[in-house]
Amino acid sequence: DAGVTQSPTHLIKTRGQHVTLRCSPISGHKSVSWYQQVLGQGPQFIFQYYEKEERGRGNFPDRFSARQFPNYSSELNVNALLLGDSALYLCASSLRQENTEAFFGQGTRLTVV
Amino acid sequence: GQNIDQPTEMTATEGAIVQINCTYQTSGFNGLFWYQQHAGEAPTFLSYNVLDGLEEKGRFSSFLSRSKGYSYLLLKELQMKDSASYLCAVSGALAGGSYIPTFGRGTSLIVHP
Repeated sequence: DAGVTQSPTHLIKTRGQHVTLRCSPISGHKSVSWYQQVLGQGPQFIFQYYEKEERGRGNFPDRFSARQFPNYSSELNVNALLLGDSALYLCASSLRQENTEAFFGQGTRLTVV
Repeated sequence: GQNIDQPTEMTATEGAIVQINCTYQTSGFNGLFWYQQHAGEAPTFLSYNVLDGLEEKGRFSSFLSRSKGYSYLLLKELQMKDSASYLCAVSGALAGGSYIPTFGRGTSLIVHP
């Protein structure tokens, strides 16, 4: 069985550009959460989607948005990129909204120059 | 809000036992997670505690005391491959019914021969 898959694995963008990151959850999982992890710190929660609806949002600016598709895959969009957006972006999927056991993808390493 | 505190770094000897502590403050507690993260990789799920007491899973055990806001991860018979960052995460309620794990900064464990 495939685990959580994210694409692309690495990405380099310039300041002011827009980026779209993609995530496919484990088959049967309906909850997808997005996290940002800066080097040396734990993952910071950005969004949770469950059954295609936003169920939670972390303390991130409106430049960050996301959506979940009917097949439960998800996209994270970031507009007007800043240098400080450089990080590892992790997607986690779980069966239920409660996230009692979340499985992480390998992440997308975003570098903003 | 949620606040999680764990040591930044620990060292231990191969074959020994190490205990990684985590203290937390949260509202709407819905469980505590431990994840292992090797450098450059995604976090992998180790344990989930929602009731007080000790949960044992092979060489790894996790303990929770909700009244004290305290947990620890116990690693026995340490192996070199256990060198990694160990993330404590607490699940608290958000508006909309979600329970999102909030992660600590992680404890970098170095196992030496």
